Amino acid sequence: NAGVTQTPKFQVLKTGQSMTLQCAQDMNHEYMSWYRQDPGMGLRLIHYSVGAGITDQGEVPNGYNVSRSTTEDFPLRLLSAAPSQTSVYFCASSYSLAGEETQYFGPGTRLLVL
Amino acid sequence: AQSVTQPDIHITVSEGASLELRCNYSYGATPYLFWYVQSPGQGLQLLLKYFSGDTLVQGIKGFEAEFKRSQSSFNLRKPSVHWSDAAEYFCAVWNDYKLSFGAGTTVTVRA
Repeated sequence: NAGVTQTPKFQVLKTGQSMTLQCAQDMNHEYMSWYRQDPGMGLRLIHYSVGAGITDQGEVPNGYNVSRSTTEDFPLRLLSAAPSQTSVYFCASSYSLAGEETQYFGPGTRLLVL
Repeated sequence: AQSVTQPDIHITVSEGASLELRCNYSYGATPYLFWYVQSPGQGLQLLLKYFSGDTLVQGIKGFEAEFKRSQSSFNLRKPSVHWSDAAEYFCAVWNDYKLSFGAGTTVTVRA
């Protein structure tokens, strides 16, 4: 198992550019989520999905779109990048939304918006 | 909504010394609590978790944590720190549909 994979590892964007952060998992997990990590703030949830075709907003969804067409993939789209979106982005997955489930995290994507 | 506070932003400890990282959570019906570790440039790895039963939880890499409901705490401990334990540590609580993380504690290990 590769677990949770994310691409790219690092990206530099100019303000106003768009891009898609890729996330894939090979564990047949139903629940997938995107977090952003900023210094002194821990990780905050952007969007999540409880299965193919089902997505919902987290704490900080503005400026981001998601879709879930397959169980395996959960891409995060930035439509018009802003400097405030400079962050480290983590994708996570688990079997379900049950509280005791372990969330498995990908290695992260570092994004710099100039 | 449940939340987590990690009072210590940064801790420096000598190799071989003991380590304790503090975590306080806001009260909920049954808190599901987690400790994750993040090495520099890496993703998050689960160290241990608590959701019921024995309040002393053993994890990987020699870590343990104790759930104390009366103090709303879930402190992480290790008896003897190794240089490879230098990392950032996050306490988290499950909150309906997401993990709510503390701000993290950075651990520096000196020789």
